[in-house]
Amino acid sequence: SQTIHQWPATLVQPVGSPLSLECTVEGTSNPNLYWYRQAAGRGLQLLFYSVGIGQISSEVPQNLSASRPQDRQFILSSKKLLLSDSGFYLCAWSGGKGSYEQYFGPGTRLTVT
Amino acid sequence: GENVEQHPSTLSVQEGDSAVIKCTYSDSASNYFPWYKQELGKGPQLIIDIRSNVGEKKDQRIAVTLNKTAKHFSLHITETQPEDSAVYFCAASIRLFGNEKLTFGTGTRLTIIP
Repeated sequence: SQTIHQWPATLVQPVGSPLSLECTVEGTSNPNLYWYRQAAGRGLQLLFYSVGIGQISSEVPQNLSASRPQDRQFILSSKKLLLSDSGFYLCAWSGGKGSYEQYFGPGTRLTVT
Repeated sequence: GENVEQHPSTLSVQEGDSAVIKCTYSDSASNYFPWYKQELGKGPQLIIDIRSNVGEKKDQRIAVTLNKTAKHFSLHITETQPEDSAVYFCAASIRLFGNEKLTFGTGTRLTIIP
């Protein structure tokens, strides 16, 4: 069966510091991968999605970037965090072409102080 | 782009009663409508979904209905139990470049009163 991992689970970082969040998927190959952000008490905002290694699409202009160095690895980064980057970051995967369902990881709670 | 509205934002029901959450979408090209359940501090869990060629789908105590003409879909939970308490999100999807791009509603906090 497929499993999605995210780490770290929680992170407290000062303003201006760099960020690296990692997501890996097991049990599937060539998945579509997604990064979402969820502000407190709010819905989910799609940040990035990837249909293959090195292929990244950005949904909103922001202080963040994403990379996909391996088929089942998706990384969310920032060079300098802002207070507004605080939130719950969720990685998701889907089976790619012909597959509709998206499955979410456990999330990373980021607090920028 | 797609816009999904979800109502109500909060809902309290007595244990054993039914709960209904409604969503509307704007883009008639949307063809996939999932529902997610999110417990505190966890990632959303896919609980049921429906595609545009189906009007209703049921899985035990959970059902989803879709009205493509009116562009709305609903989640129905019957015989509610305390473990149904969570935030529920609807979403609508358009297939784009072989990729499912989900647009989410703003969520409904469901509380089951024992």
